[in-house]
Amino acid sequence: AQTVTQSQPEMSVQEAETVTLSCTYDTSENNYYLFWYKQPPSRQMILVIRQEAYKQQNATENRFSVNFQKAAKSFSLKISDSQLGDTAMYFCAFRRSSNTGKLIFGQGTTLQVKP
Amino acid sequence: EAGVTQFPSHSVIEKGQTVTLRCDPISGHDNLYWYRRVMGKEIKFLLHFVKESKQDESGMPNNRFLAERTGGTYSTLKVQPAELEDSGVYFCASRAIGGELFFGEGSRLTVL
Repeated sequence: AQTVTQSQPEMSVQEAETVTLSCTYDTSENNYYLFWYKQPPSRQMILVIRQEAYKQQNATENRFSVNFQKAAKSFSLKISDSQLGDTAMYFCAFRRSSNTGKLIFGQGTTLQVKP
Repeated sequence: EAGVTQFPSHSVIEKGQTVTLRCDPISGHDNLYWYRRVMGKEIKFLLHFVKESKQDESGMPNNRFLAERTGGTYSTLKVQPAELEDSGVYFCASRAIGGELFFGEGSRLTVL
């Protein structure tokens, strides 16, 4: 069975600085997808970034990038130039390669961006 | 275009009572999912509808939970009778075929 672990329940960062959120996972599959979702307070959870396991290049979306280490089963999220609007809970998630919306989530990391 | 909407946003009930949560997916999304996050833990999959059919209900915790999606549009998740351990946030998500998942804001359930 697949598992996803986020070992940092809470983190904080000063505005404009960089922060890295950790995520590790366990799977015996070779092809899969990894995601980072963001849920601001009282708002919808939205997709931040996704990584396909067969791609070696790390995904990047503007200020958000990942460090995908397939052998180590690690999938960290780096947020550069943190903004107040980045304050949210962040969830790491795993999906098998089959076309499905069934995700396995980590416990979440609450990120507070301080002015 | 409206996103995934869930109602109510927060419900407080007594143990033993019944609660029904509703999810309206994005129009045209055949796939609808229910997830649940119990306080401080990970978000867990409950079940998956394709149109009105249950495709996968492996995550449903027990027979006190009943999910329906009559007509393949909106879905309801009923908890009867509610227990203390049912407290948490219930998320609904929808997806078009081959598309990404879109989540609602969640319905917070508090069972006293």
